[in-house]
Amino acid sequence: SQQGEEDPQALSIQEGENATMNCSYKTSINNLQWYRQNSGRGLVHLILIRSNEREKHSGRLRVTLDTSKKSSSLLITASRAADTASYFCATDRGGSNYKLTFGKGTLLTVNP
Amino acid sequence: EAGVTQSPTHLIKTRGQQVTLRCSPISGHTSVYWYQQALGLGLQFLLWYDEGEERNRGNFPPRFSGRQFPNYSSELNVNALELEDSALYLCASNAPPSGNTIYFGEGSWLTVV
Repeated sequence: SQQGEEDPQALSIQEGENATMNCSYKTSINNLQWYRQNSGRGLVHLILIRSNEREKHSGRLRVTLDTSKKSSSLLITASRAADTASYFCATDRGGSNYKLTFGKGTLLTVNP
Repeated sequence: EAGVTQSPTHLIKTRGQQVTLRCSPISGHTSVYWYQQALGLGLQFLLWYDEGEERNRGNFPPRFSGRQFPNYSSELNVNALELEDSALYLCASNAPPSGNTIYFGEGSWLTVV
């Protein structure tokens, strides 16, 4: 089963609005990370939040983590057309068999 | 500081052929990860190499293989190519411990015809 499921699958907003994307996962995690991907390009790391953290900020980004609900949210404030991209959450469980498991992503379109 | 670099950026192969994709991690990173991103399927974990050893492997057939060299660069080999192998292959690296941020390259686009 997919560890890291983002919703919505697609989100279209106007420039200046806030965008919220959610991620749910099934098993316990060590870290949760958010990445963005412009069409057909590599992934760019946005923010990492550890399982013992509840909220982190980075510029216009705010990430929350609720381990009791196995969910995370990414908020982008005052969105810009350049924020148009796919956003992925990725989780890891740490340990010797470490791997980062991605969801299928949310496609965000910010209309000018 | 140079990021993760991958080559080639694009390539077209015929069914049944073999392909080798290359990845150079960020300087100081000892772990290399390979992911496959097929259209509409999200990122699927392929392989994790650390200090020259294969540490973990995703749910892919044995015709997907790779290795990591002493300088920590890595190759991904795919034998007996099938049409469904057409995808963006992404390499990523990080420094230990394994929970640190993973940094991705721009990927290699493989089209199998």
